[in-house]
Amino acid sequence: DGGITQSPKYLFRKEGQNVTLSCEQNLNHDAMYWYRQDPGQGLRLIYYSQIVNDFQKGDIAEGYSVSREKKESFPLTVTSAQKNPTAFYLCASSSPFLGETQYFGPGTRLLVL
Amino acid sequence: GDSVTQMEGPVTLSEEAFLTINCTYTATGYPSLFWYVQYPGEGLQLLLKATKADDKGSNKGFEATYRKETTSFHLEKGSVQVSDSAVYFCALRREAGTALIFGKGTTLSVSS
Repeated sequence: DGGITQSPKYLFRKEGQNVTLSCEQNLNHDAMYWYRQDPGQGLRLIYYSQIVNDFQKGDIAEGYSVSREKKESFPLTVTSAQKNPTAFYLCASSSPFLGETQYFGPGTRLLVL
Repeated sequence: GDSVTQMEGPVTLSEEAFLTINCTYTATGYPSLFWYVQYPGEGLQLLLKATKADDKGSNKGFEATYRKETTSFHLEKGSVQVSDSAVYFCALRREAGTALIFGKGTTLSVSS
């Protein structure tokens, strides 16, 4: 089955710790995105990547980092500089050959211990 | 900048009632418009979309029409079911290759 997988489903972070959220897609999509969802705030863009080895900051990139070494993978690292990391993180991907509709993964919920 | 405004929820309805969730947008040019649905603890699923003025998107009994004159993309369904209970997000994409801009979401609760 084609789709987007995110792991883990739940992730716990200790103070001062960096954690990495995984996002993998087998849809052969060129573009990938990371969003953060907070209650009552909708989704906000953290980073996005339109091609391998290239990515751009979104609206709330501070305290986060990404890499795009492979087309199918776009991991997000939440660094210790992100002071309020508790949220639901959603990864998405899209292709210009499919009308650029974004398809979402199931999400990772990050909690701070 | 570009933005999307949705009616605040929660919206509480009885089964078989008519649903309207209002969505208006601010954007330059001719954005594409989307409705996504999120069930508890899950990611977002595309519900419907429209890419140009006067287009009507439809899926699973839901409809929305792209109205450029009123900059609106209201979601409607003639008869809601308990299984429609979810959070609904309106979103726009200003041009190809850019990320989506979301509204804050509207929670719908349908009771039998």
